[in-house]
Amino acid sequence: ETGVTQSPTHLIKTRGQQVTLRCSSQSGHNTVSWYQQALGQGPQFIFQYYREEENGRGNFPPRFSGLQFPNYSSELNVNALELDDSALYLCASSPDMGQAYEQYFGPGTRLTVT
Amino acid sequence: AQTVTQSQPEMSVQEAETVTLSCTYDTSESDYYLFWYKQPPSRQMILVIRQEAYKQQNATENRFSVNFQKAAKSFSLKISDSQLGDAAMYFCAYRSGDFGNEKLTFGTGTRLTIIP
Repeated sequence: ETGVTQSPTHLIKTRGQQVTLRCSSQSGHNTVSWYQQALGQGPQFIFQYYREEENGRGNFPPRFSGLQFPNYSSELNVNALELDDSALYLCASSPDMGQAYEQYFGPGTRLTVT
Repeated sequence: AQTVTQSQPEMSVQEAETVTLSCTYDTSESDYYLFWYKQPPSRQMILVIRQEAYKQQNATENRFSVNFQKAAKSFSLKISDSQLGDAAMYFCAYRSGDFGNEKLTFGTGTRLTIIP
């Protein structure tokens, strides 16, 4: 089991609402990535943060935004929730950028939008 | 854009037997990395094995090994002496060799069932 934690475990929201998901990386990990995993699919890259700056973004609209804090925690914010946003949201951290570093995943937050 | 394809949605194997999971990918890059991840019901994605494209030798990790065919863009995972704890979703993933491009591109996964 990795040292990456996510909260909450499960969440139910209504269409149009806003949600904040949280991730706590392993201490010393400067890079965090967020992925959306729809039911029966592989994870899709949302974006990555490195030292509190966004460094790369997937094909997701601007209503998906993030923050990374100096204490190795991060947030994924989603505004104007849509039914299709229902998914498992995974965060993954690594010590630094570069291919030598493994990404360590958290257990995810299951978001249901009704 | 890179794509990863896993053509076997489900596989099953008898305990202690060997099973091979298939993965193909498409890329125009020459430098990249390939991974197999395991996702058990606990949902936590766990790295099983990685392969650097510039290495000709196939990676092995205990009972897990890969067959990396760069020209064919194929990257299969072989699990030997299957155990009940191997039951999970298995995802093949691609990462560019470009520094700073940390994005993982995943396939749709293969659900592996172990038959006692």
